Amino acid sequence: KAGVTQTPRYLIKTRGQQVTLSCSPISGHRSVSWYQQTPGQGLQFLFEYFSETQRNKGNFPGRFSGRQFSNSRSEMNVSTLELGDSALYLCASSLGFGHEQFFGPGTRLTVL
Amino acid sequence: TQLLEQSPQFLSIQEGENLTVYCNSSSVFSSLQWYRQEPGEGPVLLVTVVTGGEVKKLKRLTFQFGDARKDSSLHITAAQPGDTGLYLCAPRNQASGGSYIPTFGRGTSLIVHP
Repeated sequence: KAGVTQTPRYLIKTRGQQVTLSCSPISGHRSVSWYQQTPGQGLQFLFEYFSETQRNKGNFPGRFSGRQFSNSRSEMNVSTLELGDSALYLCASSLGFGHEQFFGPGTRLTVL
Repeated sequence: TQLLEQSPQFLSIQEGENLTVYCNSSSVFSSLQWYRQEPGEGPVLLVTVVTGGEVKKLKRLTFQFGDARKDSSLHITAAQPGDTGLYLCAPRNQASGGSYIPTFGRGTSLIVHP
């Protein structure tokens, strides 16, 4: 069974731009969660989607948004990029709450 | 807001040594998960501990959940270079009102030198 895939793997943007990251979950998984990982703050939860609905949301500004499609693939968007948005963005898929999460390899975003 | 501490933050050891890393909090958890994240990869779940005092073994790794379910430890016997990675603990609490915000510790970065 193929794992969670994320595209692109690396991305360089400049301040003020916007970016869209993509996540394809494991087949059959309907839950997709997004995380931001930085050396300073560690791994922080952004939001979770289940069956195209945002179910939970972490403490991030409205510049961070996401969506999930009917095939469970998910995208996250960051608008008006700031230097502090430089991070590894991870997505994880699962069958649903209480089930094991499987993480993708992440997208390394650098904001210049 | 729960305080979650992992220690040590960094650990550099030689192959064959033993080590223990810790995950401590002021809050009681319903369960706790340990993950390992290798460079360039996402975290991978190692174990979930649920019962206070529970001990689980995964080959050379021994996980223990504190009696009060506020802390946990991970002991590695005879560490190997393949154990290199970031070890993260993730406590889990019962969802309230249908919402659940996953939290992770900052992690222990382990390097095992051959």
